[in-house]
Amino acid sequence: KQEVTQIPAALSVPEGENLVLNCSFTDSAIYNLQWFRQDPGKGLTSLLLIQSSQREQTSGRLNASLDKSSGRSTLYIAASQPGDSATYLCAVPTSGTYKYIFGTGTRLKVLA
Amino acid sequence: DTAVSQTPKYLVTQMGNDKSIKCEQNLGHDTMYWYKQDSKKFLKIMFSYNNKELIINETVPNRFSPKSPDKAHLNLHINSLELGDSAVYFCASRDIAGGGYNEQFFGPGTRLTVL
Repeated sequence: KQEVTQIPAALSVPEGENLVLNCSFTDSAIYNLQWFRQDPGKGLTSLLLIQSSQREQTSGRLNASLDKSSGRSTLYIAASQPGDSATYLCAVPTSGTYKYIFGTGTRLKVLA
Repeated sequence: DTAVSQTPKYLVTQMGNDKSIKCEQNLGHDTMYWYKQDSKKFLKIMFSYNNKELIINETVPNRFSPKSPDKAHLNLHINSLELGDSAVYFCASRDIAGGGYNEQFFGPGTRLTVL
Protein backbone atom coordinates (compact mmCIF):
# COMPACT_ATOMS: atom_id res chain seq x y z
CA LYS A 1 0.00 0.00 0.00
CA GLN A 2 1.45 3.31 -1.07
CA GLU A 3 2.06 5.83 1.71
CA VAL A 4 3.36 9.33 1.15
CA THR A 5 5.04 11.48 3.76
CA GLN A 6 6.12 15.07 3.51
CA ILE A 7 8.65 16.64 5.81
CA PRO A 8 8.65 19.22 7.26
CA ALA A 9 4.96 19.82 7.88
CA ALA A 10 5.58 23.55 8.11
CA LEU A 11 8.48 25.80 7.23
CA SER A 12 9.09 29.50 7.72
CA VAL A 13 12.04 31.17 5.98
CA PRO A 14 13.20 34.70 5.24
CA GLU A 15 12.88 35.97 1.70
CA GLY A 16 15.74 35.06 -0.59
CA GLU A 17 16.58 31.74 0.98
CA ASN A 18 16.94 28.57 -1.05
CA LEU A 19 14.91 25.73 0.42
CA VAL A 20 14.16 22.06 -0.01
CA LEU A 21 10.88 20.28 0.54
CA ASN A 22 10.86 16.52 0.92
CA CYS A 23 8.46 13.82 -0.21
CA SER A 24 8.89 10.14 0.67
CA PHE A 25 6.89 7.22 -0.69
CA THR A 26 6.88 3.56 0.30
CA ASP A 27 6.21 1.82 -3.02
CA SER A 28 8.92 2.68 -5.54
CA ALA A 29 7.03 1.13 -8.49
CA ILE A 30 5.72 4.48 -9.66
CA TYR A 31 5.54 5.84 -13.18
CA ASN A 32 5.61 9.50 -12.19
CA LEU A 33 5.36 11.95 -9.31
CA GLN A 34 3.61 15.30 -9.34
CA TRP A 35 4.22 18.39 -7.22
CA PHE A 36 1.39 20.83 -6.55
CA ARG A 37 0.93 24.13 -4.85
CA GLN A 38 -2.24 25.04 -2.94
CA ASP A 39 -2.98 28.61 -1.87
CA PRO A 40 -5.40 29.09 1.05
CA GLY A 41 -8.98 28.55 -0.03
CA LYS A 42 -7.94 27.66 -3.56
CA GLY A 43 -7.51 24.60 -5.72
CA LEU A 44 -4.29 22.80 -6.53
CA THR A 45 -1.93 24.15 -9.17
CA SER A 46 0.38 21.70 -10.87
CA LEU A 47 4.01 22.73 -10.55
CA LEU A 48 6.04 19.87 -11.94
CA LEU A 49 5.47 16.35 -13.18
CA ILE A 50 8.51 14.12 -13.11
CA GLN A 51 8.42 10.79 -14.95
CA SER A 52 9.98 7.66 -13.47
CA SER A 53 12.66 7.69 -16.16
CA GLN A 54 13.72 11.23 -15.22
CA ARG A 55 15.90 12.27 -12.33
CA GLU A 56 15.10 15.98 -12.47
CA GLN A 57 12.58 18.43 -13.81
CA THR A 58 12.90 22.20 -13.75
CA SER A 59 10.50 25.10 -14.09
CA GLY A 60 11.80 28.58 -13.38
CA ARG A 61 13.05 28.72 -9.79
CA LEU A 62 11.70 25.24 -9.07
CA ASN A 63 13.60 22.02 -9.45
CA ALA A 64 12.20 18.60 -8.60
CA SER A 65 14.34 15.52 -8.27
CA LEU A 66 13.28 11.90 -8.09
CA ASP A 67 15.12 8.92 -6.62
CA LYS A 68 12.83 5.95 -7.09
CA SER A 69 15.13 3.42 -5.47
CA SER A 70 15.15 5.32 -2.19
CA GLY A 71 11.51 6.39 -2.48
CA ARG A 72 12.23 10.09 -2.33
CA SER A 73 11.59 13.29 -4.20
CA THR A 74 12.71 16.79 -3.34
CA LEU A 75 11.38 20.14 -4.48
CA TYR A 76 14.04 22.81 -4.49
CA ILE A 77 12.91 26.45 -4.51
CA ALA A 78 15.60 28.97 -5.30
CA ALA A 79 15.61 32.54 -4.04
CA SER A 80 12.27 32.22 -2.24
CA GLN A 81 9.77 35.06 -2.39
CA PRO A 82 6.74 35.94 -0.24
CA GLY A 83 4.57 34.91 -3.19
CA ASP A 84 5.87 31.36 -2.78
CA SER A 85 3.97 31.08 0.51
CA ALA A 86 1.51 28.22 0.11
CA THR A 87 1.08 24.54 0.89
CA TYR A 88 3.11 22.23 -1.32
CA LEU A 89 1.82 18.73 -1.99
CA CYS A 90 3.36 15.76 -3.73
CA ALA A 91 1.32 12.94 -5.25
CA VAL A 92 2.33 9.50 -6.47
CA PRO A 93 0.28 6.76 -8.14
CA THR A 94 -0.37 3.44 -6.47
CA SER A 95 1.21 0.55 -8.25
CA GLY A 96 -0.75 -0.66 -11.26
CA THR A 97 -3.53 1.88 -10.95
CA TYR A 98 -4.36 5.41 -11.95
CA LYS A 99 -5.07 6.36 -8.37
CA TYR A 100 -2.87 9.05 -6.86
CA ILE A 101 -1.96 9.19 -3.21
CA PHE A 102 -1.23 12.63 -1.80
CA GLY A 103 1.19 13.58 0.92
CA THR A 104 0.02 15.65 3.87
CA GLY A 105 1.78 18.72 2.50
CA THR A 106 4.35 21.24 3.65
CA ARG A 107 3.03 24.66 4.66
CA LEU A 108 5.60 27.21 3.53
CA LYS A 109 5.75 30.80 4.70
CA VAL A 110 8.30 33.15 3.18
CA LEU A 111 8.79 36.26 5.25
CA ALA A 112 9.44 39.61 3.59
CA ASP B 1 -10.85 29.80 -20.32
CA THR B 2 -11.13 27.75 -17.14
CA ALA B 3 -9.74 24.26 -17.70
CA VAL B 4 -11.58 22.48 -14.87
CA SER B 5 -14.61 24.22 -13.41
CA GLN B 6 -16.89 23.30 -10.53
CA THR B 7 -20.25 24.55 -9.38
CA PRO B 8 -21.18 25.68 -6.88
CA LYS B 9 -18.12 27.13 -5.21
CA TYR B 10 -19.81 27.21 -1.82
CA LEU B 11 -22.64 25.05 -0.56
CA VAL B 12 -24.25 25.43 2.86
CA THR B 13 -27.04 23.05 3.72
CA GLN B 14 -28.84 21.30 6.53
CA MET B 15 -28.26 17.74 7.67
CA GLY B 16 -30.40 15.25 5.85
CA ASN B 17 -30.62 17.22 2.61
CA ASP B 18 -29.55 15.94 -0.80
CA LYS B 19 -27.18 18.02 -2.89
CA SER B 20 -25.17 17.82 -6.11
CA ILE B 21 -21.85 19.24 -7.23
CA LYS B 22 -20.97 19.56 -10.89
CA CYS B 23 -17.65 19.47 -12.69
CA GLU B 24 -16.69 20.18 -16.26
CA GLN B 25 -13.33 20.07 -18.03
CA ASN B 26 -12.52 21.53 -21.44
CA LEU B 27 -9.10 19.94 -21.76
CA GLY B 28 -10.26 16.97 -23.77
CA HIS B 29 -9.06 14.59 -21.04
CA ASP B 30 -10.44 11.09 -20.80
CA THR B 31 -10.37 10.71 -17.01
CA MET B 32 -11.94 12.69 -14.20
CA TYR B 33 -11.67 12.41 -10.42
CA TRP B 34 -13.40 13.47 -7.24
CA TYR B 35 -11.28 14.15 -4.17
CA LYS B 36 -12.25 15.14 -0.65
CA GLN B 37 -10.07 17.46 1.41
CA ASP B 38 -10.89 17.39 5.09
CA SER B 39 -10.35 20.01 7.77
CA LYS B 40 -6.78 18.83 8.26
CA LYS B 41 -6.14 19.48 4.55
CA PHE B 42 -5.62 15.82 3.78
CA LEU B 43 -6.61 15.08 0.18
CA LYS B 44 -8.18 11.70 -0.49
CA ILE B 45 -9.48 10.23 -3.72
CA MET B 46 -13.12 9.16 -3.85
CA PHE B 47 -13.98 8.23 -7.43
CA SER B 48 -12.60 8.27 -10.94
CA TYR B 49 -14.21 7.86 -14.33
CA ASN B 50 -12.47 7.05 -17.58
CA ASN B 51 -14.53 7.73 -20.69
CA LYS B 52 -17.73 7.59 -18.61
CA GLU B 53 -16.74 4.32 -16.97
CA LEU B 54 -16.10 4.07 -13.23
CA ILE B 55 -12.52 2.92 -12.67
CA ILE B 56 -11.85 3.95 -9.07
CA ASN B 57 -14.38 3.59 -6.30
CA GLU B 58 -12.86 4.06 -2.89
CA THR B 59 -14.45 3.13 0.42
CA VAL B 60 -17.01 5.89 0.39
CA PRO B 61 -20.52 5.74 1.91
CA ASN B 62 -23.08 4.80 -0.70
CA ARG B 63 -24.80 8.11 0.00
CA PHE B 64 -22.23 9.44 -2.47
CA SER B 65 -23.04 8.68 -6.08
CA PRO B 66 -20.95 9.95 -8.97
CA LYS B 67 -22.26 10.24 -12.47
CA SER B 68 -20.48 10.97 -15.72
CA PRO B 69 -22.86 11.85 -18.56
CA ASP B 70 -19.91 12.28 -20.94
CA LYS B 71 -16.15 12.39 -20.60
CA ALA B 72 -16.11 16.16 -20.08
CA HIS B 73 -18.50 16.10 -17.12
CA LEU B 74 -18.48 14.44 -13.73
CA ASN B 75 -21.13 15.11 -11.11
CA LEU B 76 -21.33 14.10 -7.48
CA HIS B 77 -24.65 13.60 -5.77
CA ILE B 78 -24.79 13.26 -2.00
CA ASN B 79 -27.88 11.95 -0.23
CA SER B 80 -28.82 12.46 3.40
CA LEU B 81 -25.98 14.83 4.17
CA GLU B 82 -24.20 14.42 7.49
CA LEU B 83 -22.02 16.78 9.52
CA GLY B 84 -18.96 14.71 8.65
CA ASP B 85 -19.49 15.42 4.95
CA SER B 86 -18.36 19.00 5.50
CA ALA B 87 -15.17 19.38 3.48
CA VAL B 88 -13.82 20.80 0.27
CA TYR B 89 -14.51 18.61 -2.74
CA PHE B 90 -12.15 18.87 -5.67
CA CYS B 91 -12.62 17.69 -9.20
CA ALA B 92 -9.59 16.86 -11.32
CA SER B 93 -8.94 15.59 -14.80
CA ARG B 94 -6.15 13.83 -16.60
CA ASP B 95 -5.44 12.05 -19.84
CA ILE B 96 -4.46 8.44 -19.17
CA ALA B 97 -4.55 7.19 -22.73
CA GLY B 98 -1.14 5.82 -23.59
CA GLY B 99 -0.20 4.79 -20.09
CA GLY B 100 -1.21 7.58 -17.78
CA TYR B 101 1.97 9.60 -17.77
CA ASN B 102 0.25 12.96 -17.84
CA GLU B 103 -0.36 15.47 -15.11
CA GLN B 104 -3.60 16.09 -13.26
CA PHE B 105 -5.39 19.42 -13.37
CA PHE B 106 -7.63 20.48 -10.52
CA GLY B 107 -10.76 22.55 -10.27
CA PRO B 108 -11.14 25.38 -7.71
CA GLY B 109 -13.05 23.23 -5.25
CA THR B 110 -16.51 23.24 -3.70
CA ARG B 111 -16.65 24.05 0.00
CA LEU B 112 -19.52 22.08 1.49
CA THR B 113 -20.76 23.00 4.96
CA VAL B 114 -23.40 20.84 6.59
CA LEU B 115 -25.19 22.45 9.52
